[in-house]
Amino acid sequence: GAGVSQTPSNKVTEKGKYVELRCDPISGHTALYWYRQSLGQGPEFLIYFQGTGAADDSGLPNDRFFAVRPEGSVSTLKIQRTERGDSAVYLCASSLFGRSEQYFGPGTRLTVT
Amino acid sequence: GQQVMQIPQYQHVQEGEDFTTYCNSSTTLSNIQWYKQRPGGHPVFLIQLVKSGEVKKQKRLTFQFGEAKKNSSLHITATQTTDVGTYFCAGPGAGNMLTFGGGTRLMVKP
Repeated sequence: GAGVSQTPSNKVTEKGKYVELRCDPISGHTALYWYRQSLGQGPEFLIYFQGTGAADDSGLPNDRFFAVRPEGSVSTLKIQRTERGDSAVYLCASSLFGRSEQYFGPGTRLTVT
Repeated sequence: GQQVMQIPQYQHVQEGEDFTTYCNSSTTLSNIQWYKQRPGGHPVFLIQLVKSGEVKKQKRLTFQFGEAKKNSSLHITATQTTDVGTYFCAGPGAGNMLTFGGGTRLMVKP
């Protein structure tokens, strides 16, 4: 079956611009996670959805970052006033309710120039 | 907050040699998960260990969970070039969000 998909695969934007990153989880997976991975490091947790609501957004670095999942499926990570330090690969993962193993998408490589 | 550390950061081995990576958590874990990320790829779930002292095998890979449920290891016997990648351990926090270690990058010389 289809895995987690993310679009775009690459995004180059100028400092100060707004970007949206999209994640389409595996069908039937109620939990959705966003992580950020910098070069040579492990993924860093950003936000977690169970259904439509953000169950834990403690990993969002500041209020420039926001994520939604209005219908409990597709999620969008939104970054306002991008900074060069936001450059990283943004990974989305999903899991079945009650299961802890997560299935990752291919990621969106964000470059802020 | 919870911290997960892995050593070594890098390991070069000759094909056929064994490889081990070690993972330590600052807190007791309900379970530990291992993921593999190929160069240019995304993390792929390998296994989950839940019980204290648990040992699981997947072909040439052996995973252990420590008695205190704060450390774990992954051992690969007779590495192959297909084993190349970065191996991450991860421990769950509240809501099943994962705290990942820094990973061990395995390079295999044919």
